[in-house]
Amino acid sequence: AAGVIQSPRHLIKEKRETATLKCYPIPRHDTVYWYQQGPGQDPQFLISFYEKMQSDKGSIPDRFSAQQFSDYHSELNMSSLELGDSALYFCASSFPGSVTGEFPHEKLFFGSGTQLSVL
Amino acid sequence: QKEVEQNSGPLSVPEGAIASLNCTYSDRGSQSFFWYRQYSGKSPELIMFIYSNGDKEDGRFTAQLNKASQYVSLLIRDSQPSDSATYLCAVNRDDKIIFGKGTRLHILP
Repeated sequence: AAGVIQSPRHLIKEKRETATLKCYPIPRHDTVYWYQQGPGQDPQFLISFYEKMQSDKGSIPDRFSAQQFSDYHSELNMSSLELGDSALYFCASSFPGSVTGEFPHEKLFFGSGTQLSVL
Repeated sequence: QKEVEQNSGPLSVPEGAIASLNCTYSDRGSQSFFWYRQYSGKSPELIMFIYSNGDKEDGRFTAQLNKASQYVSLLIRDSQPSDSATYLCAVNRDDKIIFGKGTRLHILP
């Protein structure tokens, strides 16, 4: 079965550079979430999109922006990179709707992540 | 106080025994609760979800929810070495899935 695809798997950047992370959700999933996970830390919610519109925003720095495109893939753009931005960035997708009292849109399927290292 | 609290562990359990993982949450309005398993360097994987008070069983896993105590737990029966991982508790707060720091579980062969 198709999974959430993220690219690149690894990215090395220097301070003050920019980075773009890409996420391709599972087919027919229309909601995308971005999480940042530092070493030994819990995944921190950054931002989410539903039907190509931003649906929620978490602890995302102003230096970061994201969007969801017409084919539902999403990109996270990170500018003026700082050492503290080094982390694993996960994208997750979910399927909308409600089925027999359950809420599929809450069940997140994660991609393999992008390991960003800022030197 | 973090919204979702877990003991970071590590929790060491002998193979074949029951592993018990606990989680508390602060927002009484939370309605949905999840357990994700994360192997080192890998992405989280959903293994259980629960919405109602009581127990929910799926194979060797049982999730328990007590909304009055704001407490969620995960029991793993007949623990296997492959169960060694970090287990993340998560809750839905205003349509944001909020994670705890996770509990590292180590199954001793």
